[in-house]
Amino acid sequence: EAQVTQNPRYLITVTGKKLTVTCSQNMNHEYMSWYRQDPGLGLRQIYYSMNVEVTDKGDVPEGYKVSRKEKRNFPLILESPSPNQTSLYFCASSLSVGGRTNYGYTFGSGTRLTVV
Amino acid sequence: GDSVTQMEGPVTLSEEAFLTINCTYTATGYPSLFWYVQYPGEGLQLLLKATKADDKGSNKGFEATYRKETTSFHLEKGSVQVSDSAVYFCALSFRFDYKLSFGAGTTVTVRA
Repeated sequence: EAQVTQNPRYLITVTGKKLTVTCSQNMNHEYMSWYRQDPGLGLRQIYYSMNVEVTDKGDVPEGYKVSRKEKRNFPLILESPSPNQTSLYFCASSLSVGGRTNYGYTFGSGTRLTVV
Repeated sequence: GDSVTQMEGPVTLSEEAFLTINCTYTATGYPSLFWYVQYPGEGLQLLLKATKADDKGSNKGFEATYRKETTSFHLEKGSVQVSDSAVYFCALSFRFDYKLSFGAGTTVTVRA
């Protein structure tokens, strides 16, 4: 089954304790992205990657890191989480988002992170 | 910058009612437009899309037409079911850009 898999689904952590949320896709997609969803704000892009070893900042990158060492994996790293990073996080991938062949993204099921 | 504005919810309807969710956008140029749906406890699923003016996207009884003159992409369904209860997001992206810009989402609840 074609899918984007995120882990964990739920995570409660303490301020300052480094954590990684994993994301993997099995569709050979080149483009991957992380979003956070907050009430009343919709989804905002954190980071995206156009291909292996190519990443760039989205709208709200502060406090996050990413890496793209393999095409299928795009982990999100919080080096020192803070309570304002409590949110619902989605990983997404796409075959193409440019021009007429804009397929949109396939989203994972989400990771609900609580930082206390 | 580019932005998407959706009608505020929540929207509560009875089964078989007509649903419209308004979506307008502000952008320089001609983006591709999308509607995504998020069912309770799940991730977002692409519902439909349109990539150029006057295109109509349709899926699962939902329709939306890309109106360049009014910069709108309103979502409609003629007869909703309880299973359509979800959060609906309007979004846009540009050619050679890799970001989806989302509206705030509209929560729809359909009662039997």
